[in-house]
Amino acid sequence: DSGVTQTPKHLITATGQRVTLRCSPRSGDLSVYWYQQSLDQGLQFLIQYYNGEERAKGNILERFSAQQFPDLHSELNLSSLELGDSALYFCASSVEGSGNTIYFGEGSWLTVV
Amino acid sequence: EDQVTQSPEALRLQEGESSSLNCSYTVSGLRGLFWYRQDPGKGPEFLFTLYSAGEEKEKERLKATLTKKESFLHITAPKPEDSATYLCAALASRGSQGNLIFGKGTKLSVKP
Repeated sequence: DSGVTQTPKHLITATGQRVTLRCSPRSGDLSVYWYQQSLDQGLQFLIQYYNGEERAKGNILERFSAQQFPDLHSELNLSSLELGDSALYFCASSVEGSGNTIYFGEGSWLTVV
Repeated sequence: EDQVTQSPEALRLQEGESSSLNCSYTVSGLRGLFWYRQDPGKGPEFLFTLYSAGEEKEKERLKATLTKKESFLHITAPKPEDSATYLCAALASRGSQGNLIFGKGTKLSVKP
């Protein structure tokens, strides 16, 4: 158990809909990251937040957005969903300056039908 | 373009048959090379971080090494419970801490 908690574990939704994925980082970690894993693309970095502020952006679509709240939990919002958005979405966290070790949650499996 | 390539894509071993997994990287200014283990439907589990060429780290039957162009994950006398996908990731100097560049992984199967 990495200490990173993600909900929900699975969800199925229709095209055009919007979903929110939630993440609680490890106790004491200030940075939260979101990754997408699909069969053909592997693990792709989406976005990073540090203590409530956006720190870095990767290959995140404009239809996707994220935020980190004062209690450090984070949410990833996915809207206008398409079939190609079906993937495993991972949240990860780390303590800045801890040797760059990033710990992953168990993921949220999104299926768009 | 920064890139991480893992080989082989899949590896089948008999229990006790030692082998190595390869991770080749092309990144501008490597800040760290990471190894993770991932079981089906689960999140990547951190194994090792290597920072400089010549560095080695060990954990049970696993040993990771780093050169200026590659990293190897050596598996000594593997057991069936070592079956998993092993992911390699690089952190470039211009990337934020979370912008790990992942390879596509090596799927390891160990048969009893």
